Amino acid sequence: GIQVEQSPPDLILQEGANSTLRCNFSDSVNNLQWFHQNPWGQLINLFYIPSGTKQNGRLSATTVATERYSLLYISSSQTTDSGVYFCAVGAGANSKLTFGKGITLSVRP
Amino acid sequence: NAGVTQTPKFRILKIGQSMTLQCTQDMNHNYMYWYRQDPGMGLKLIYYSVGAGITDKGEVPNGYNVSRSTTEDFPLRLELAAPSQTSVYFCASSQGQTISNQPQHFGDGTRLSIL
Repeated sequence: GIQVEQSPPDLILQEGANSTLRCNFSDSVNNLQWFHQNPWGQLINLFYIPSGTKQNGRLSATTVATERYSLLYISSSQTTDSGVYFCAVGAGANSKLTFGKGITLSVRP
Repeated sequence: NAGVTQTPKFRILKIGQSMTLQCTQDMNHNYMYWYRQDPGMGLKLIYYSVGAGITDKGEVPNGYNVSRSTTEDFPLRLELAAPSQTSVYFCASSQGQTISNQPQHFGDGTRLSIL
């Protein structure tokens, strides 16, 4: 199956800093999603981005499908951005997703 | 519009007991999924369904069963609980009708401990 690697595994930021989170995958995909798991365990879908670039407020994401990676950008980080960020990819029908192990982000005031 | 609702939120089971984790969605989504998340790990797919009456195994189906009698409900059953099934369980749904790959929406999870 597809392998998903996320880096770095842990990230500590000062409030207001910018960051880039990376997701590499081992095969062609037709589905890629970024999720944020908050400290209460809830999973929030940030982006559905199998290719191209999207922006939502301080967050943006870019997927370069031909080179098998995706980047999540967080600008002007806030303490509420803390949590775990997951990249998940799918390669066939049925929307089955394979998740990476996540990136733990801590934003300090 | 509640989205994806999971019950219960927490449960403690003894080894060998059985239980059903409930999942319901009110978005008329065809696709539904069950994942488990172990500490420090990503989510792994247990079972999924592409519509009422249709289910299929995911990556880690052993020890679980599912059914999909309606579009809204997708219960997950543990028949003989084992300590290895201690985990947080997430249910998700997506539109996936004529377009098979769509954003997945998650419930808040069920934290299950087997003692």
